[in-house]
Amino acid sequence: GENVEQHPSTLSVQEGDSAVIKCTYSDSASNYFPWYKQELGKGPQLIIDIRSNVGEKKDQRIAVTLNKTAKHFSLHITETQPEDSAVYFCAASKGSGYSTLTFGKGTMLLVSP
Amino acid sequence: DTAVSQTPKYLVTQMGNDKSIKCEQNLGHDTMYWYKQDSKKFLKIMFSYNNKELIINETVPNRFSPKSPDKAHLNLHINSLELGDSAVYFCASSQTNPLGNSPLHFGNGTRLTVT
Repeated sequence: GENVEQHPSTLSVQEGDSAVIKCTYSDSASNYFPWYKQELGKGPQLIIDIRSNVGEKKDQRIAVTLNKTAKHFSLHITETQPEDSAVYFCAASKGSGYSTLTFGKGTMLLVSP
Repeated sequence: DTAVSQTPKYLVTQMGNDKSIKCEQNLGHDTMYWYKQDSKKFLKIMFSYNNKELIINETVPNRFSPKSPDKAHLNLHINSLELGDSAVYFCASSQTNPLGNSPLHFGNGTRLTVT
């Protein structure tokens, strides 16, 4: 089955800095890669996703890049703010029929003022 | 309006008891899920139902039994609770489409503590 590795497990940055979280996946058939943000006491929320026919996608301060050849994808957050502090999860799926998401183990991002 | 709501938010119980967690979604989605998040934050799929039919059943003990009375509800019943069942349980929903890859919408979780 699919295996998703996520690094780093914790990331501390100063407000205004950029943050990068990286994930690798094992199944070359995977073609859908969402990122979720989980705040304390809440469920994960989708913040951005990318499909395998696209190499990069951007939404304001958040961007995701995908390298299908190397089987890795990354989340980039620019101009970080304290409210970006949360646990971030990457995930991958084959996206056909009832395929399910396989999640990475999460990255705890702490943005200090 | 909460899109995916689950109750209770906290559940503390003793070993050997039976308990249920309820989940409802008002998004009109046709697929619902239960995920388990352990103390290290790892998210793992347990079950998935599409239009009330079980489609995914990962290696979960038989003590866990999901029930879907209609496509807007997916409840989780757990028999003979064990210490290792302590975790946060998340309900989620999505709408299938021909391309698959539909985003999941999660509830806010039920923190189960077994003493």
